[in-house]
Amino acid sequence: GESVGLHLPTLSVQEGDNSIINCAYSNSASDYFIWYKQESGKGPQFIIDIRSNMDKRQGQRVTVLLNKTVKHLSLQIAATQPGDSAVYFCAEIPGSGNTGKLIFGQGTTLQVKP
Amino acid sequence: DTGVSQDPRHKITKRGQNVTFRCDPISEHNRLYWYRQTLGQGPEFLTYFQNEAQLEKSRLLSDRFSAERPKGSFSTLEIQRTEQGDSAMYLCASSSDRDIRYTFGSGTRLTVV
Repeated sequence: GESVGLHLPTLSVQEGDNSIINCAYSNSASDYFIWYKQESGKGPQFIIDIRSNMDKRQGQRVTVLLNKTVKHLSLQIAATQPGDSAVYFCAEIPGSGNTGKLIFGQGTTLQVKP
Repeated sequence: DTGVSQDPRHKITKRGQNVTFRCDPISEHNRLYWYRQTLGQGPEFLTYFQNEAQLEKSRLLSDRFSAERPKGSFSTLEIQRTEQGDSAMYLCASSSDRDIRYTFGSGTRLTVV
């Protein structure tokens, strides 16, 4: 089946540096993409989303980039902090997305070194 | 209403027993989702409710699994004759028709021994 996957299982960065987490998706018909953060023992927490008619969207310290040509999604975190340490998942809503069903990738663990 | 609540947080059960989990969504959300997450993996879709109607079920939801949302508010997920392979985190999420961004609960971690 189609899936959303992440390039690296673990990313280690120094506090204060910028982090870039990548994701490749396979469903070219997907219309909506979301990044989630999951801390240990908690459910996924919404970070930022982007629709397929956009290339870039910025939030507070986070930016999502969408490259539909190569079906690639990335999450950039500026000035990474220890509180950013978590597992990050990209997810997509395939097809028309009427149900809102999400397909998640496997996750990247971000480790922030003080 | 502080978010999506799930109960219990943890459940340990013996193989072959039945278990039931409860999810209370955000009150104004009409959509409710169940996902399953195993260690190191992303959540996998199980089923979706719009109000009280169960509109989609994954192939992952075998005959031993049943989910209900009788009044369009809280939902229950029951697993009958549990197997060790059912051990996972069961996540509930809710959203509205106007805003598809989910709010997830903290999950119920099931361990089948």
